[in-house]
Amino acid sequence: DQQVKQNSPSLSVQEGRISILNCDYTNSMFDYFLWYKKYPAEGPTFLISISSIKDKNEDGRFTVFLNKSAKHLSLHIVPSQPGDSAVYFCAALARGYTGNQFYFGTGTSLTVIP
Amino acid sequence: SAVISQKPSRDICQRGTSLTIQCQVDSQVTMMFWYRQQPGQSLTLIATANQGSEATYESGFVIDKFPISRPNLTFSTLTVSNMSPEDSSIYLCSAPLAGAADTQYFGPGTRLTVL
Repeated sequence: DQQVKQNSPSLSVQEGRISILNCDYTNSMFDYFLWYKKYPAEGPTFLISISSIKDKNEDGRFTVFLNKSAKHLSLHIVPSQPGDSAVYFCAALARGYTGNQFYFGTGTSLTVIP
Repeated sequence: SAVISQKPSRDICQRGTSLTIQCQVDSQVTMMFWYRQQPGQSLTLIATANQGSEATYESGFVIDKFPISRPNLTFSTLTVSNMSPEDSSIYLCSAPLAGAADTQYFGPGTRLTVL
């Protein structure tokens, strides 16, 4: 059962415009969320995170929004640049007695068109 | 952030053989993780590698198929045993930043193709 879902497998955006990547989750016990970016032939790179006690976290061009009641988070990239073209994974953290476990979405492939 | 390297970066293997993937972290970490990403799928956790104890495997993964070693706090290996084409995947190791267990950092991955 996929507890973290990214329903859009791909997204294309013009350079300079906003990119919005969406993620939904089902487990209300998740209390920390992360976004990763992955280029071909590389491992995922941590991008930005948000704690469940916040509804927004901003880092430069990247902003993550969390809507706990809707179990939804989104990543906004403004302005989008061609170098942002990559696969973006959202992840959620569940804390357990034996340690933390991360659940990943299936990814959204973003293409920024020059 | 931790720097994580993996070897080999890619390999093409024959059915029935085994491949050992190495993961090196540039700082000491308590826990290391092994993931698999099959084509079009999300990252799936195979096991957690604990130094000084047996690895903890997730549902659907067993030690006989994916034996793991963790000889020290900076190194781990994952072996994919008796491979079949269904094992073709990207295998990734990861570790949390020291003092920040809430964030995973990943190695570059090993792309395995089984013929």
